[in-house]
Amino acid sequence: GAGVSQSPSNKVTEKGKDVELRCDPISGHTALYWYRQRLGQGLEFLIYFQGNSAPDKSGLPSDRFSAERTGESVSTLTIQRTQQEDSAVYLCASSLWTSGSRPTGELFFGEGSRLTVL
Amino acid sequence: GDSVTQMEGPVTLSEEAFLTINCTYTATGYPSLFWYVQYPGEGLQLLLKATKADDKGSNKGFEATYRKETTSFHLEKGSVQVSDSAVYFCALRRSDKLIFGTGTRLQVFP
Repeated sequence: GAGVSQSPSNKVTEKGKDVELRCDPISGHTALYWYRQRLGQGLEFLIYFQGNSAPDKSGLPSDRFSAERTGESVSTLTIQRTQQEDSAVYLCASSLWTSGSRPTGELFFGEGSRLTVL
Repeated sequence: GDSVTQMEGPVTLSEEAFLTINCTYTATGYPSLFWYVQYPGEGLQLLLKATKADDKGSNKGFEATYRKETTSFHLEKGSVQVSDSAVYFCALRRSDKLIFGTGTRLQVFP
């Protein structure tokens, strides 16, 4: 597709269950980001992948959160043993690096996955 | 650490009114600054950016000037339209990440 695609768009789960959220970035974009947006708050950085480099996991809030990326394509964000405070919209974004330079700062966002933990 | 502070919304205006959405930042050095917009039912998209002090970013009638003396990047538009109704996010770049403000909802009525 032309844009960043995320699934599911909505997920309701019970406390303690595991969830997986998927992101398909724009083809050719080497950088991929996950952000979280809780109600009434700003976007909170979670994790960043760039090519084959080790991911920047500095924003993951706890060891219940993990993410993987297959090459320069699909990424999956996994939340284990979900808690009510995990309820949020999880946003994925991708960005294009050009040779010898850093991302320009233009991130292309998906519409997000809304997670509700009961 | 680095942070971005935006005015709380919602901002409610009539069509053709003048818009200002305030944004200030705290950061070491002079990071690139951005405004992103999220229209209803859509993902965030870049509206404009400025990469150094005194730069002015502009797009779709919106403008913002990078003011290092006041550490601000206020968003302005001279005459808003109903179609401008959206949530606006100010952000700064630190390393390869964007740090966002909380967002400001703009509602424009005919």
